[in-house]
Amino acid sequence: KAGVTQTPRYLIKTRGQQVTLSCSPISGHRSVSWYQQTPGQGLQFLFEYFSETQRNKGNFPGRFSGRQFSNSRSEMNVSTLELGDSALYLCASSLRSSGGATEQFFGPGTRLTVL
Amino acid sequence: KQEVTQIPAALSVPEGENLVLNCSFTDSAIYNLQWFRQDPGKGLTSLLLIQSSQREQTSGRLNASLDKSSGRSTLYIAASQPGDSATYLCAVIEGAQKLVFGQGTRLTINP
Repeated sequence: KAGVTQTPRYLIKTRGQQVTLSCSPISGHRSVSWYQQTPGQGLQFLFEYFSETQRNKGNFPGRFSGRQFSNSRSEMNVSTLELGDSALYLCASSLRSSGGATEQFFGPGTRLTVL
Repeated sequence: KQEVTQIPAALSVPEGENLVLNCSFTDSAIYNLQWFRQDPGKGLTSLLLIQSSQREQTSGRLNASLDKSSGRSTLYIAASQPGDSATYLCAVIEGAQKLVFGQGTRLTINP
């Protein structure tokens, strides 16, 4: 079974631009979560989507948004890029169940550099 | 607000040693706890998931324990190998699949 895939793997943008990152979850997984990883702040939760609805959101500004499609693929968008948005963006997928949290599996990440 | 702490931040040991990585969390109202490894510049690889009702979980040379009442988890690695060198992260799982991560322990196994 294929793992979580993320595209593109690397991106270079300039301040003020916007960017869209894509994540395809493991087949059968309906929950997709996004995380930002930086050397200073570590791994921080951005948001989670399940059944095309945002279920939870971390403490990030409104410039960070996302969506999920009917096939569970998810996109994350960052508008008006700032230098501090340079980070590794990781996507995780899980089965998710009403009985509790399930194991999460991560993709390889998208390395975003903002110049 | 949940806070997760991992000690030590870095650890270097000779090959073949058994070792323990520590993780503590401030709020015991967690669903589960998950251990990951991360190689430089790569994504996270899931190692073990411990359900909140479990006390430990084993996979090969890895054994993870969970004590919710004291807010602690340990990852035990037996007979360490150079390929075990990586950063190890623990994360508690709060409601709606939200993972709260520690800062990680950077492990180096010396041949």
